[in-house]
Amino acid sequence: DTGVSQDPRHKITKRGQNVTFRCDPISEHNRLYWYRQTLGQGPEFLTYFQNEAQLEKSRLLSDRFSAERPKGSFSTLEIQRTEQGDSAMYLCASSPQGAVTEAFFGQGTRLTVV
Amino acid sequence: GIQVEQSPPDLILQEGANSTLRCNFSDSVNNLQWFHQNPWGQLINLFYIPSGTKQNGRLSATTVATERYSLLYISSSQTTDSGVYFCAVNWRGSQGNLIFGKGTKLSVKP
Repeated sequence: DTGVSQDPRHKITKRGQNVTFRCDPISEHNRLYWYRQTLGQGPEFLTYFQNEAQLEKSRLLSDRFSAERPKGSFSTLEIQRTEQGDSAMYLCASSPQGAVTEAFFGQGTRLTVV
Repeated sequence: GIQVEQSPPDLILQEGANSTLRCNFSDSVNNLQWFHQNPWGQLINLFYIPSGTKQNGRLSATTVATERYSLLYISSSQTTDSGVYFCAVNWRGSQGNLIFGKGTKLSVKP
């Protein structure tokens, strides 16, 4: 297993366009998280899946953001009508089931909205 | 919610020097992880350390959960240690997501 994989690594889009990112977690991990990181800050939690169920959403996840994990494996994060403030690094993490488990992160997708 | 504070925010070292990075948190935690973010943005796992002390080569970490802090020690620093070090906690009030500090930016000069 090669770890958590994210695609694309970089995305430049015009304001108002929709974008979609993909995350493939470590295969035996049933928990999947999305985070957003802006310059000079630590990552901030966006949303969390356990298998295919989306169990928690941050207040940062506006109506323009939607995430899915249809078969409990890979996940997608879509941003509709992108704004310049959406420019950030989007990070995906996965962890195995258990009360308290270690999370592993992907390489991230760097989004630039022009 | 829980607050996670890291210090110092910036640190410049000469190659070969030792350093200590600190992470304070304001509430009880179930988990604590230290990460190194490389120049390309990836978070590399250093330690999973809810309590106690662990060592991995030149790096070691100690978490004193009852006093709500963790320390990351880097000995004989190398230029490849440069980057941002993050502490992140899993708070009892969350469902497993990590709460990150703002990081310590380390620059190691040759």
